Amino acid sequence: GENVEQHPSTLSVQEGDSAVIKCTYSDSASNYFPWYKQELGKRPQLIIDIRSNVGEKKDQRIAVTLNKTAKHFSLHITETQPEDSAVYFCAASGGQNNAGNMLTFGGGTRLMVKP
Amino acid sequence: NAGVTQTPKFQVLKTGQSMTLQCAQDMNHEYMSWYRQDPGMGLRLIHYSVGAGITDQGEVPNGYNVSRSTTEDFPLRLLSAAPSQTSVYFCASALSSNYGYTFGSGTRLTVV
Repeated sequence: GENVEQHPSTLSVQEGDSAVIKCTYSDSASNYFPWYKQELGKRPQLIIDIRSNVGEKKDQRIAVTLNKTAKHFSLHITETQPEDSAVYFCAASGGQNNAGNMLTFGGGTRLMVKP
Repeated sequence: NAGVTQTPKFQVLKTGQSMTLQCAQDMNHEYMSWYRQDPGMGLRLIHYSVGAGITDQGEVPNGYNVSRSTTEDFPLRLLSAAPSQTSVYFCASALSSNYGYTFGSGTRLTVV
């Protein structure tokens, strides 16, 4: 089935700096790539997603880029703030080897923004 | 809309006991799924359903059963609880494939 790898597992940045989280996927037929933010003790919440017919998508301080040839996609957070501190998960779906087109998640990145 | 509702929020079971985790959504979503979240392991798919009457296994289905008799409900049954099933369980739903999931608030299960 699909395999999604996420790096780094932890990331510490100073407030105001940028943060980048990278994911790679194995199934070249995957076509949907969402990112979720999970605060401590809370449920994962969708923050941005991208489909394979688009190379980049932005929403205020958050952007996602997709490189289909290399099978990787990245989350970029600019001007980080303490409230950005959370665990971020990437995911992929739509591949031929993916159970029912369900999402396969990466292992998560714990982002810490220091004031 | 209540979104995705999970009950209970917390549960302690003894080894060998059985129980059902409830999940209901009021968004008329066809896709529903159960994930478990263990520290450092991300979210792993247990079972999923693409519509009423249709269920299938995910990555880690052993020890769990599901059914989907209605569009709204997707309960997860633990047949004989084991300590390895100690985890946080999330139910999620989506309109269809390639749409963002809405997650429930989770059930924290401890098996002793």
